[in-house]
Amino acid sequence: LAKTTQPISMDSYEGQEVNITCSHNNIATNDYITWYQQFPSQGPRFIIQGYKTKVTNEVASLFIPADRKSSTLSLPRVSLSDTAVYYCLVVVGNNAGNMLTFGGGTRLMVKP
Amino acid sequence: NAGVTQTPKFQVLKTGQSMTLQCAQDMNHNSMYWYRQDPGMGLRLIYYSASEGTTDKGEVPNGYNVSRLNKREFSLRLESAAPSQTSVYFCAGRRNTGELFFGEGSRLTVL
Repeated sequence: LAKTTQPISMDSYEGQEVNITCSHNNIATNDYITWYQQFPSQGPRFIIQGYKTKVTNEVASLFIPADRKSSTLSLPRVSLSDTAVYYCLVVVGNNAGNMLTFGGGTRLMVKP
Repeated sequence: NAGVTQTPKFQVLKTGQSMTLQCAQDMNHNSMYWYRQDPGMGLRLIYYSASEGTTDKGEVPNGYNVSRLNKREFSLRLESAAPSQTSVYFCAGRRNTGELFFGEGSRLTVL
């Protein structure tokens, strides 16, 4: 399993773009990267996933460099409601039931 | 379409008591997972099930047992609860495209 490393916490202000980087140096060829968001007292919620280059959806963008040893979750123009914990996971890409482990996540605080 | 449903949502136990946390999904997921989350911490994997009839240990399986009764249901049992098992327990199902869908959690307090 590829181990992930993220900053423990980040602060931002409303309207700013926030970039959260995750390191996964031992990612394997078939692995892909997934990000989740968790609000207090709720289960994590899937945000985005990708294998390489850039993926964008209505919530966020995910940037993955060519060596795939890191990835960056980009949240455009954050609001107070984006205050949450964000987790990066590396998933073995065989669609089978795999051992999926979460790291400590990044606690994002958005201030007014 | 309820997604992933966990029962009970809250439970208080005394040390040594046993209980089962129930999880049911109606999203046709093959894989299901049980996590625990202690206050201010990340999620830790207890057990998972790749498919009906199979279960595997996760990071912190001691003190727990699981049953994958059928494709829909994946239960977590505490045979003899300890205060260290006070936590929020989350069940999740996994789509074939990889995303996990979580239940609302079960808050367990062991006195």
